[in-house]
Amino acid sequence: GQQLNQSPQSMFIQEGEDVSMNCTSSSIFNTWLWYKQDPGEGPVLLIALYKAGELTSNGRLTAQFGITRKDSFLNISASIPSDVGIYFCADTGTASKLTFGTGTRLQVTL
Amino acid sequence: EAGVTQSPTHLIKTRGQQATLRCSPISGHTSVYWYQQALGLGLQFLLWYDEGEERNRGNFPPRFSGRQFPNYSSELNVNALELEDSALYLCASSISPTGLDTQYFGPGTRLTVL
Repeated sequence: GQQLNQSPQSMFIQEGEDVSMNCTSSSIFNTWLWYKQDPGEGPVLLIALYKAGELTSNGRLTAQFGITRKDSFLNISASIPSDVGIYFCADTGTASKLTFGTGTRLQVTL
Repeated sequence: EAGVTQSPTHLIKTRGQQATLRCSPISGHTSVYWYQQALGLGLQFLLWYDEGEERNRGNFPPRFSGRQFPNYSSELNVNALELEDSALYLCASSISPTGLDTQYFGPGTRLTVL
C-alpha cells in the first residue's frame, strides 16, 4: 500500500522562528490533509489541499500540494508555544479511510 | 454543538480479555471511523461504518470488530487482547462518507493491555 514519509520526525525550535515540514508519498495523491494532534486529544484538521500546485493559508500556517502530486509541505510562521504538538499529513486514499503519515513532533523552547 | 465523544477515557485489561470501546458521533453525522494509534506511530485505519453497515476495514485481524447502532453511535470490540493492542483508539465521524476532509476526531480511549 501507499506510504507517507514525514520529515523531520521531531524538531525543537525557538519561539518566533519559522517551521517547515514535509510529507512525501510513494504514489500520487488526490488530496493532502494536514492535521495537528495536541497531547491527549484527537487530531484536528488544519488545512486541506485538493489540486496539484495549490497553496493554501490558515492564519500562520501555509501548505502546498506539490506539482508531482507526491509531496506536500506545511510551514508555520512565527511559532508560539501553543504550536507544540504532532503534525500529521494524510491522504484520503480509497473508500473514505485516511492514511496518515508518521508525524512530525514540534516542540518550542521559550 | 457537542463534538465526538468516546468512553471510557482509559481502559486497562489483561492479555486474553475482551475490550469494548464506545463512540458517539457529532449529531447529524452518519459515518464513524475507528483508528489505532500505537505509541510513537501514526494513525492506522481500523474500521468504517456508515448507516449501520461496515463499509471498509483496515489490515487488522478479525478479533477487531465493531458495530454501529441505529442512533449512529458505534462500538469497537477487541477480543483475545494481546500486549501489542495497547494504543490510543480514536473515533472520528463525518456527515457523509464523501466528505473526506471533514472527519472530526474524538479525544480517544487509551487501552493498556497488561
